[in-house]
Amino acid sequence: ETGVTQTPRHLVMGMTNKKSLKCEQHLGHNAMYWYKQSAKKPLELMFVYNFKEQTENNSVPSRFSPECPNSSHLFLHLHTLQPEDSALYLCASSQDGDYGYTFGSGTRLTVV
Amino acid sequence: GENVEQHPSTLSVQEGDSAVIKCTYSDSASNYFPWYKQELGKGPQLIIDIRSNVGEKKDQRIAVTLNKTAKHFSLHITETQPEDSAVYFCAASILAHQAGTALIFGKGTTLSVSS
Repeated sequence: ETGVTQTPRHLVMGMTNKKSLKCEQHLGHNAMYWYKQSAKKPLELMFVYNFKEQTENNSVPSRFSPECPNSSHLFLHLHTLQPEDSALYLCASSQDGDYGYTFGSGTRLTVV
Repeated sequence: GENVEQHPSTLSVQEGDSAVIKCTYSDSASNYFPWYKQELGKGPQLIIDIRSNVGEKKDQRIAVTLNKTAKHFSLHITETQPEDSAVYFCAASILAHQAGTALIFGKGTTLSVSS
């Protein structure tokens, strides 16, 4: 365990389903991030939260909806996804955004 | 937009050889450059990082060099071992929209060390 826990590890969902990914960090960091990792592509930054405030939405479709109720928890709510959204979704945390990230192990999402 | 280019995409070496991975970045404001190692089924793990006021940093068999003028930085692994086999990512800091920073990543290098 890295100090950043993601659940579930694997998720298969239909295009009409609604599901949520969860991330929890036990490191006392104040910034949290969602990244998407697809095959043969760089990690794509999706959302940034600093002190619970969203400071970046990197042109992500509205079918992805983040929520950060406190500095230790981050959610990604999923609704009517497309097959091309299948990927590994990684959560990370850092202190002040200016130091090395600690990543979770990711959620492997498959949209059928 | 800002981007990070990483080469090579795959690298195969014999155990004991050195491995070098190179990255270039586009944002002249970037001032923090970490390297991550990702093993199968795991998230990326930070292995070494460097800030823009330093030209080189070393940690045992791993070293990173930075040429801020040319916007290049490189990862050097000496005396490679089979357990070094993994995907390696470079990253550069960028300013997030309102406050703080975020990281943008290269596409990764798959390193294979054969014994």
